[in-house]
Amino acid sequence: EDQVTQSPEALRLQEGESSSLNCSYTVSGLRGLFWYRQDPGKGPEFLFTLYSAGEEKEKERLKATLTKKESFLHITAPKPEDSATYLCAVQEWYNNAGNMLTFGGGTRLMVKP
Amino acid sequence: DARVTQTPRHKVTEMGQEVTMRCQPILGHNTVFWYRQTMMQGLELLAYFRNRAPLDDSGMPKDRFSAEMPDATLATLKIQPSEPRDSAVYFCASGFSGSGTDTQYFGPGTRLTVL
Repeated sequence: EDQVTQSPEALRLQEGESSSLNCSYTVSGLRGLFWYRQDPGKGPEFLFTLYSAGEEKEKERLKATLTKKESFLHITAPKPEDSATYLCAVQEWYNNAGNMLTFGGGTRLMVKP
Repeated sequence: DARVTQTPRHKVTEMGQEVTMRCQPILGHNTVFWYRQTMMQGLELLAYFRNRAPLDDSGMPKDRFSAEMPDATLATLKIQPSEPRDSAVYFCASGFSGSGTDTQYFGPGTRLTVL
C-alpha cells in the first residue's frame, strides 16, 4: 500500500529564514511526485511534478528535489505570503488507474515578518 | 483562466437530508476526481472518473454516497442520507489522462456541515 509521510507537521520561520520540508514515500513504482500549496479555505494549487530521482524544479523561492525515497521542498528566504499548507502526493504505475494520487498529511508553514 | 468550479461553496443541512454537490471540470479534461478533506484524515480520494466512466470508488461509503457524470461538463456527488460524520470539505479535481503529466487541478471545494 502506498505511504506518503510529510514532516514536520508544522514549521514556523522568520522572514528570510530558509528551510526544507520533507516528503517520504513508499510505492512499488513511482509515476510522479506532486507538490501542491493550499491556502485556508481554498483548494490545493499545483506547484510541481517530479518524475525521476535527481530531478529538480524551481519556482520563485521554492525548489523541489527528488530521490528514490523522498522529496524535499526547499524554501529560500521565505516571505509571509509563503505561509500555507504544502501537500505532496504520489502517483503510482497501475495497470488501469494510473492517475490516482495518494496525499501526505501536509506541512503547515507559517512565516513571520 | 480555466478553473474547476464547484457549487455550492457552503452547505449546512440536518442529519438525514440529501446533499448534492456539483463540479464543472476544466474544458477538455477527461478525468474527474472527488476528494474529502478533514483535519483528522487529510485528503481522501472518494471517486475517480475517466471519460465519464467510473474507474474507482473504493474510498466511498457505498450505502450513502453516489457519484455520477451525466455529461462531460458536470460531475455530481450525492449523499443520502447525510450524517454528522460527513461534515468535511469536498473537493473536485480534473485532469487529462494521456498528456504525460497527469496533473490534477482542484476546485475551491464545498464545505459541508451536517447538524
